[in-house]
Amino acid sequence: QKEVEQNSGPLSVPEGAIASLNCTYSDRVSQSFFWYRQYSGKSPELIMSIYSNGDKEDGRFTAQLNKASQYVSLLIRDSQPSDSATYLCAVNTNAGKSTFGDGTTLTVKP
Amino acid sequence: EADIYQTPRYLVIGTGKKITLECSQTMGHDKMYWYQQDPGMELHLIHYSYGVNSTEKGDLSSESTVSRIRTEHFPLTLESARPSHTSQYLCASSELGGYTEAFFGQGTRLTVV
Repeated sequence: QKEVEQNSGPLSVPEGAIASLNCTYSDRVSQSFFWYRQYSGKSPELIMSIYSNGDKEDGRFTAQLNKASQYVSLLIRDSQPSDSATYLCAVNTNAGKSTFGDGTTLTVKP
Repeated sequence: EADIYQTPRYLVIGTGKKITLECSQTMGHDKMYWYQQDPGMELHLIHYSYGVNSTEKGDLSSESTVSRIRTEHFPLTLESARPSHTSQYLCASSELGGYTEAFFGQGTRLTVV
């Protein structure tokens, strides 16, 4: 079992729809969770971080964390073609080890 | 704006050559990482460091080596490049502790012919 698993892609949604990206992790002592966006040929860039159970909203993005279920998700509302990218889930343990998932590729169709 | 720099951005080199990929950051971060990523594929951690004189191998076995003599500098060296080393190499840095994001450089795209 991988330490960080993301829902298999690719994921395709129409413009204006909600895109839902999911991630599960195996290490129960994980304490911080990140979503990165990576455009084709570019480096990953941070879009959301979450540390506590519940929801965290930033503009059109909402991160959701459920530590009991070892589950973290990213919702993108009103999806735009510019959101088309690969989204990477990353999990940090309290020792500072950072593990990335394989990524989910999202395509938003106009 | 992240201040982490990689040089060169692109490199085409012949088999058997020795190469060093440079990575520098001006944020004073203790942790630095090297990832290898093929087009459309996942990130693979190949080396990391928690500070000066600290280096560890990552999850993916690599023939490369790294050094960390200064906090801001984390070069990666291939003693003898092979076509199988063709890939994108991404350097990243972060603060110590668990609640810290990683900042990535722009990457070096290496082609070994």
